[in-house]
Amino acid sequence: QSVLTQPPSASGTPGQRVTISCSGRSSNIGRSSVFWYQRLPGTAPNVLIYRDNQRPSGVPDRFSGSKSGNSASLAISGLRSEDEGDYYCATWDDSLSGPVFGGGTTLTVL
Amino acid sequence: EVQLVQSGAEVKKPGESLKISCKASGYGFNNYWIAWVRHMPGKGLEWVGRIYPGDSRTTYSPSFQGQVTVSVDKSITTSYLQWTSLQASDTAMYYCARLYGGNSEAWFDPWGQGTLVTVSS
Repeated sequence: QSVLTQPPSASGTPGQRVTISCSGRSSNIGRSSVFWYQRLPGTAPNVLIYRDNQRPSGVPDRFSGSKSGNSASLAISGLRSEDEGDYYCATWDDSLSGPVFGGGTTLTVL
Repeated sequence: EVQLVQSGAEVKKPGESLKISCKASGYGFNNYWIAWVRHMPGKGLEWVGRIYPGDSRTTYSPSFQGQVTVSVDKSITTSYLQWTSLQASDTAMYYCARLYGGNSEAWFDPWGQGTLVTVSS
């Protein structure tokens, strides 16, 4: 049971927009920045969104992050087949004094 | 280039000990926490523990406290994750990652390529 709650799966067709949610508590998302990680098949995770809504250089603007209260979301527009993979949200939890992850969402491009 | 390179896959028997490594390069090793993250088959990512090479401070997830040891050798900019007695339930991919950003941010960047640990009799 992960500290942050994500839907286990999401899907869309090429060109569509999909959203992945991440729900937490006041001790984590409510007071700390949210990060999103993309893990493509056979590769290590990479940061996709940092500090709630910032994109590292090289990440397409099709990816966007938002946060409100104790929840956060990752939106992917213009879905492409190469977006298939696992997506994880993460933040700091003051109660645990450490980082926590969501259970991950597997994105399928139909 | 900032890089973390991990040691190769391991196959062990229950009860055996193991130490896997994570070699860092391309940045001030002493100035950033190194974290270890577990990924079990079909499951999500889990933070295991972290170490600050500058003074070897460590913190662990409550789920892993007492089960593993995180250490560092500053002279060769390498961090280690160690078990004294492996169990089948330790079978997983283990990643190391630099904790970038502030002291209380879950900003892992970059990640090592992962070390697959298989424990089977």
